[in-house]
Amino acid sequence: NAGVTQTPKFQVLKTGQSMTLQCAQDMNHNSMYWYRQDPGMGLRLIYYSASEGTTDKGEVPNGYNVSRLNKREFSLRLESAAPSQTSVYFCASSEYGTRVSTDTQYFGPGTRLTVL
Amino acid sequence: KNQVEQSPQSLIILEGKNCTLQCNYTVSPFSNLRWYKQDTGRGPVSLTIMTFSENTKSNGRYTATLDADTKQSSLHITASQLSDSASYICVVSIKAAGNKLTFGGGTRVLVKP
Repeated sequence: NAGVTQTPKFQVLKTGQSMTLQCAQDMNHNSMYWYRQDPGMGLRLIYYSASEGTTDKGEVPNGYNVSRLNKREFSLRLESAAPSQTSVYFCASSEYGTRVSTDTQYFGPGTRLTVL
Repeated sequence: KNQVEQSPQSLIILEGKNCTLQCNYTVSPFSNLRWYKQDTGRGPVSLTIMTFSENTKSNGRYTATLDADTKQSSLHITASQLSDSASYICVVSIKAAGNKLTFGGGTRVLVKP
């Protein structure tokens, strides 16, 4: 099992460009998440999908959109990138999501995005 | 405001020595507390999860403690190895709002030979 995979690993964009970050999991998990991690700060939730067909905003959703394509895949789109979106983006998945309080989230390797 | 504060921000220890990392939180209502290990350039990996009723949990050489009264947790690493060099992140789950996770900023540990 590959677990949670993310593409690309690195990306450099110019201000105003758009791109989509891809995430896939092979653990048959119901819930998927997108986080960003900035230096010295904790991970912050951008969007999550409790189950296939549903998506909800997290703590910092502005400037992002998501698509839960199917049970395996959850993509994050930046429509018009800004320098403030320079960060490391992590996708995660979990089996039960909000239905089980001790549900473990499994993280992908991250995408390092720089917006010039 | 729900916050998770970790200390120290970083530390250097010699291989074979022990160390203890601290986590203080103001999250309420509390559901559970997790410790994650994040290697450089990788995603976080879960080490332990403790609920309100648990005050200690071990995972190999890692032992986490929880004092829900004082809202403090610690992660103790025994007989450190070079592979323990990583960031350790304290994460608290909020009972309401769909078990939302609040992440600390992490403690970066460097183990030297």
